[in-house]
Amino acid sequence: KQEVTQIPAALSVPEGENLVLNCSFTDSAIYNLQWFRQDPGKGLTSLLLIQSSQREQTSGRLNASLDKSSGRSTLYIAASQPGDSATYLCAVYIGTASKLTFGTGTRLQVTL
Amino acid sequence: EAQVTQNPRYLITVTGKKLTVTCSQNMNHEYMSWYRQDPGLGLRQIYYSMNVEVTDKGDVPEGYKVSRKEKRNFPLILESPSPNQTSLYFCASSHDGGTEFYGYTFGSGTRLTVV
Repeated sequence: KQEVTQIPAALSVPEGENLVLNCSFTDSAIYNLQWFRQDPGKGLTSLLLIQSSQREQTSGRLNASLDKSSGRSTLYIAASQPGDSATYLCAVYIGTASKLTFGTGTRLQVTL
Repeated sequence: EAQVTQNPRYLITVTGKKLTVTCSQNMNHEYMSWYRQDPGLGLRQIYYSMNVEVTDKGDVPEGYKVSRKEKRNFPLILESPSPNQTSLYFCASSHDGGTEFYGYTFGSGTRLTVV
């Protein structure tokens, strides 16, 4: 059974810092990985999608990498801002049951 | 605007009173899923559908029903809600890209409280 772990569970950083969020999964036979952002009580906003043939994706200040052989993905946020405060979720797709398996998230707070 | 629309956003109901949470997508997606989110447990798949009239159980299907009569709609039905179904529910959809994955689009969520 695929298990997805995100470390740390919570993180507080001052504005302007660069930071890395980690996601690890137990079964390396994944197809794809998707990073989401969730604001308190709100829905999930897709940030980055890494296809099976890719090793990384970039969008603005965000960069996500995927290493299937080691079962890891990282989300790099450059020059963090208070508006980045949210919970970040990674999810892996293994191509069956049209299912994403989610990690429990990293709650990020960026302080002034 | 491409989106997944859930209704209602908030719902408080009593034990045993049947309810339906609607989900509609305007992207002509084949795949649709329902998830519930609970503190400490993360998001878990309840049911999924790979196309019209094709549905199957996810990880936590007990107490729920779904139907997929039209491609755009995927309602979640709670025939006899119980307090342990109090949760935040999300509907999601995705295009069937064959060997390519296009990612999931999620609705804004429905916060259900069963008293």
